[in-house]
Amino acid sequence: AQSVAQPEDQVNVAEGNPLTVKCTYSVSGNPYLFWYVQYPNRGLQFLLKYITGDNLVKGSYGFEAEFNKSQTSFHLKKPSALVSDSALYFCAVRASSGGYQKVTFGTGTKLQVIP
Amino acid sequence: NAGVMQNPRHLVRRRGQEARLRCSPMKGHSHVYWYRQLPEEGLKFMVYLQKENIIDESGMPKERFSAEFPKEGPSILRIQQVVRGDSAAYFCASSADRGNEKLFFGSGTQLSVL
Repeated sequence: AQSVAQPEDQVNVAEGNPLTVKCTYSVSGNPYLFWYVQYPNRGLQFLLKYITGDNLVKGSYGFEAEFNKSQTSFHLKKPSALVSDSALYFCAVRASSGGYQKVTFGTGTKLQVIP
Repeated sequence: NAGVMQNPRHLVRRRGQEARLRCSPMKGHSHVYWYRQLPEEGLKFMVYLQKENIIDESGMPKERFSAEFPKEGPSILRIQQVVRGDSAAYFCASSADRGNEKLFFGSGTQLSVL
């Protein structure tokens, strides 16, 4: 069964500093990988995805993520954190086989950017 | 261009009552997914529906829970004889195709069972 691990419940970072939110995955075959963000009392919003190609994927709001096949990781990064980045971040995975495949989400990491 | 609409935002039920959660997907989307969110457990997949068809219900409890997505109208997640353990945030998402490479989420329904 596929799964996603987000080892940190919370990440604290000072405004202006780089941030990393960690994610590792397990799936049969090649993965499709995703990051979503959830602001309080809102649904999840798509940030970025890795399907194939360049291991470094750029997404919304200046975020990027690096796919590492050997480490089965897909960490989310941003060079300079903003207070407005404070939110709950979810990593997700699905198998790459064509058509429908179930998307499995991690438990989420709360990012707190300190002014 | 309305996004995914869920209602009600908050629903309070007493044990044993029925809960009905509604979801209207984004315009042009015919693929709907329901997820349940519990604190410290993340999002748990429940069911995937296309118009008039249930495609994957592997995450949905076999008893008391049902879902539909009729030809006309919103998708409905129905929970019969609710228990306190059903208290959670229920999110609906939609996608333009089966590939579900980009999901659009509603703001959720917070179900509280007294």
